[in-house]
Amino acid sequence: AAGVIQSPRHLIKEKRETATLKCYPIPRHDTVYWYQQGPGQDPQFLISFYEKMQSDKGSIPDRFSAQQFSDYHSELNMSSLELGDSALYFCASRGQGVNYGYTFGSGTRLTVV
Amino acid sequence: AQTVTQSQPEMSVQEAETVTLSCTYDTSENNYYLFWYKQPPSRQMILVIRQEAYKQQNATENRFSVNFQKAAKSFSLKISDSQLGDTAMYFCAFMSGGGTSYGKLTFGQGTILTVHP
Repeated sequence: AAGVIQSPRHLIKEKRETATLKCYPIPRHDTVYWYQQGPGQDPQFLISFYEKMQSDKGSIPDRFSAQQFSDYHSELNMSSLELGDSALYFCASRGQGVNYGYTFGSGTRLTVV
Repeated sequence: AQTVTQSQPEMSVQEAETVTLSCTYDTSENNYYLFWYKQPPSRQMILVIRQEAYKQQNATENRFSVNFQKAAKSFSLKISDSQLGDTAMYFCAFMSGGGTSYGKLTFGQGTILTVHP
């Protein structure tokens, strides 16, 4: 079965650079969630989209932005990167009316040096 | 805002034994969902088991079962016949059943489980 695809798997950037993370949800899933998991931390909700509109927003820095496109894939754009942005970034998708817990991608590991 | 607390940073168990991971949560909502996720060294987040708050019956999935105590806001995970492949970080998570936060997961701090041969 198709899963949530995230790219790239690993990314190394320097401070003050920009990074773009991509997420391709499971086909026919219309909701996408982004989470940030720092080293030794639990995942923290960043932002979500439903039908290409932002549906909820968590502790996402102003330097970050995200959107969901017409094909339902989503991109997380991160600018002016800081060392503290180094983390595992998860994307997850959910189908309409599904409450059994959604499917996570394998994550993008971002390292800022 | 909801909070989820896992008071056991680390647990260990012998292979084939049973272990219980604890989780408590705080919410004023009546309609919500609870989950246990497993995160092995690969860092993939894998759904282990879920519980709907309106269901009194405890959920079970093969060797995994929960003890859901709604009044006490407790949601523990029992792993029977532990296997080496169960070694992982386990997260308890809460999801609101409605409103603007519907679908957003709030995680506990995690419990590292090590299964010893």
